[in-house]
Amino acid sequence: DIQMTQSPSSLSASVGDRVTITCRASQNINRYLSWYQQEPGKAPKLLIYTATTLQTGVPSRFSGSGSGTDFSLTISSLQPEDLATYFCQQTYSSPRTFGQGTKVEIK
Amino acid sequence: QVQLEESGPGLVKPSETLSLTCVVSGYSVSSNYYWGWIRQPPGKGLEWIASLYHSGTTYYNPSLKSRVTISMDKSKNQVSLKLSSVTAADMAMYYCARHPTADYNFLTDSYSPRWYFDLWGRGTLVTVSS
Repeated sequence: DIQMTQSPSSLSASVGDRVTITCRASQNINRYLSWYQQEPGKAPKLLIYTATTLQTGVPSRFSGSGSGTDFSLTISSLQPEDLATYFCQQTYSSPRTFGQGTKVEIK
Repeated sequence: QVQLEESGPGLVKPSETLSLTCVVSGYSVSSNYYWGWIRQPPGKGLEWIASLYHSGTTYYNPSLKSRVTISMDKSKNQVSLKLSSVTAADMAMYYCARHPTADYNFLTDSYSPRWYFDLWGRGTLVTVSS
């Protein structure tokens, strides 16, 4: 199985800050990576797929980058509603695996 | 508006079979999407379990394949999951989710799935205890 490692496991930032979360795959997954946001007590929500494509309806302050084994999710200007845990997922090979999550808190 | 709603027993005994249902509203399960199950143990990450297309094409996580069956009832517009021989390790929130199709696969005579999940239900919590 492909292992997905996210860092940091948690972070605290102020409203308006630029926040970056990284995800590393244990092998080359090209651009087959998705990002999800899970607000407290809610189901995950798709933010980005194929590494950089923003899902319809997702605010433009979210962006994704990377290819191969190293990827990142950036929130350009953190908002209070971005309080959530963020997961990456490789969609390259079976079984499709998820990272362990990065919890984003607001200072 | 498309909605997915999961339901299950809440509590299941060790060694028993867990049965879960996902009712889809606002969209036909016979349309061009795959329907899958994903679980999340308390405080942990997500694990994909299985996926199904209305043609009957199925995909299973190899680590769970021997214990899992995914099925569809088109007349009720719902997708179901059965997990046998449950243990404490199966305690989790179970989510139903939709994922889109990609190109037609002539080998499987079906559409291949794209593996990102674009719509999720709220989940149903499963506890395993005697």
